[in-house]
Amino acid sequence: DAGVIQSPRHEVTEMGQEVTLRCKPISGHDYLFWYRQTMMRGLELLIYFNNNVPIDDSGMPEDRFSAKMPNASFSTLKIQPSEPRDSAVYFCASSNRGSAFFGQGTRLTVV
Amino acid sequence: GENVEQHPSTLSVQEGDSAVIKCTYSDSASNYFPWYKQELGKGPQLIIDIRSNVGEKKDQRIAVTLNKTAKHFSLHITETQPEDSAVYFCAASLRNNNDMRFGAGTRLTVKP
Repeated sequence: DAGVIQSPRHEVTEMGQEVTLRCKPISGHDYLFWYRQTMMRGLELLIYFNNNVPIDDSGMPEDRFSAKMPNASFSTLKIQPSEPRDSAVYFCASSNRGSAFFGQGTRLTVV
Repeated sequence: GENVEQHPSTLSVQEGDSAVIKCTYSDSASNYFPWYKQELGKGPQLIIDIRSNVGEKKDQRIAVTLNKTAKHFSLHITETQPEDSAVYFCAASLRNNNDMRFGAGTRLTVKP
């Protein structure tokens, strides 16, 4: 398996634009997590899914953030409209009731 | 909810020395404690984990200890090498809900 795959690796966008981050979890994993990493706040859990159903989205910072998991092999994290303070590295991870495996992350810069 | 504290934030050791990173957690119900290593430009990688029914686990130069009474766990790296230089994160979770909370990270530098 290629591991958790995220795209794009880097994204630079202007304030106010919509940003969509994508994730393909490891096949067979039934949990999917979205994390955000910044110097100030470290690794923060934004939302996680179990069997494609959102279980806990209490970490989503604002209504501008939304996440979907239309099927077991794909998830998106959308920010609309984006703001400079959203600049961070966003990680997707997946697990199968055990250890979580992370993707390489998407470095988002909002200018 | 769970709160994980990690110390130190930075650690510098000489090649060949040992490194110890410590974490405490707040939720006594937490029963799964993984450690991740993050190299520059990469995602965190699981290096070792321990469950609450075990007090210690070893994997070559890496060991983790858990004290459930005191609610703290530690990562021990022996015979450190320059390639061990990275940021290390501890985490704690309830395996049932997979709500994993991370410590703030420790930047380890191993000097040749």
